[in-house]
Amino acid sequence: DSGVTQTPKHLITATGQRVTLRCSPRSGDLSVYWYQQSLDQGLQFLIQYYNGEERAKGNILERFSAQQFPDLHSELNLSSLELGDSALYFCASSVKGSSYNEQFFGPGTRLTVL
Amino acid sequence: GEDVEQSLFLSVREGDSSVINCTYTDSSSTYLYWYKQEPGAGLQLLTYIFSNMDMKQDQRLTVLLNKKDKHLSLRIADTQTGDSAIYFCAEISGGSYIPTFGRGTSLIVHP
Repeated sequence: DSGVTQTPKHLITATGQRVTLRCSPRSGDLSVYWYQQSLDQGLQFLIQYYNGEERAKGNILERFSAQQFPDLHSELNLSSLELGDSALYFCASSVKGSSYNEQFFGPGTRLTVL
Repeated sequence: GEDVEQSLFLSVREGDSSVINCTYTDSSSTYLYWYKQEPGAGLQLLTYIFSNMDMKQDQRLTVLLNKKDKHLSLRIADTQTGDSAIYFCAEISGGSYIPTFGRGTSLIVHP
């Protein structure tokens, strides 16, 4: 158990819908990272937040957005869902965000878009 | 941009050694990592190596780094069925602290 929790574990929805994925980092970790894992793209970095502020952006679509709240939990919002958005979404956390610290991964949320 | 390549599958017999290979393109890589992903779980950091090192050993794991060829390998000695998982190679380069991951190598261990 990494100490990072993600909810829900599974999510099935239809095209065009909007969903919210939630992540609680390990106690004491200030930085949260979101990744998308799919068969064709592998593991892709989406976005990072550090202590409530966006720190780095990767291959995140405009239809996707995220935020980190004062209690440090984070939410990833996916809207206007397409079939190709079906994937495993991982959240990871680390103590800091300005230099490399080990990232601890949550168990992921499996999103299926029908 | 940076690219990290791995073979997709490796099958070994229990008790044998496994060697998982990875190549990367960014010559300014500073840290290189091996992560393990078990079924239904997130990635777990196994080990890492700084770019100024050639080798790192940690119990059954040996990491070899050839900077000239931009080649990283992970050797697992006395492979067990519990080692069956997907192994990801990742690197960090330059001023970035976001790792670039390979697609992962599925290690299948036969009894």
